[in-house]
Amino acid sequence: KNEVEQSPQNLTAQEGEFITINCSYSVGISALHWLQQHPGGGIVSLFMLSSGKKKHGRLIATINIQEKHSSLHITASHPRDSAVYICAYLYGNQFYFGTGTSLTVIP
Amino acid sequence: DADVTQTPRNRITKTGKRIMLECSQTKGHDRMYWYRQDPGLGLRLIYYSFDVKDINKGEISDGYSVSRQAQAKFSLSLESAIPNQTALYFCATSGTLSTDTQYFGPGTRLTVL
Repeated sequence: KNEVEQSPQNLTAQEGEFITINCSYSVGISALHWLQQHPGGGIVSLFMLSSGKKKHGRLIATINIQEKHSSLHITASHPRDSAVYICAYLYGNQFYFGTGTSLTVIP
Repeated sequence: DADVTQTPRNRITKTGKRIMLECSQTKGHDRMYWYRQDPGLGLRLIYYSFDVKDINKGEISDGYSVSRQAQAKFSLSLESAIPNQTALYFCATSGTLSTDTQYFGPGTRLTVL
């Protein structure tokens, strides 16, 4: 059964704090995606990970394929980082999604 | 121009009405998807299509139908809308590999009264 769990579900942080969002999944996959959903609803892809770590600006994503776990870190968080962050993977012919982590960064 | 466009962006309709949501993409991908998003439930797959002649049901296809008019166009219809179909609907497209990025449309907010 494909299950994707994200934690926490909701997160409030002060500007400048280091943020960690976790994603655990139940099946063997070759790649995991992190998505960002803006308050207006649009969804964009942040990262695709198949191993190790990737960095894009203040965002860092890591994955441990054997442990079926990935994390998304945001350094020096900013109010514009406020969004829902979703992890997802392709298994068979379908994408499976976590329910998302809603992040609010307060100035 | 956006890679994936959806029309309409917002729609309010009444129970029993037939509604069509349209999606177009310029990525040249064969794979297209329709999802709905409800608070606390994440994205759920309604239908997906791997080419014009290939349509597949997702986990929540009841009450919906689709049409793949061309590689770039994929429409979702609600044959007889009901209030629990009130949701945010997304169209998406991707390549064929697990490493390929999925590109989402801006979403259609549908309210069924």
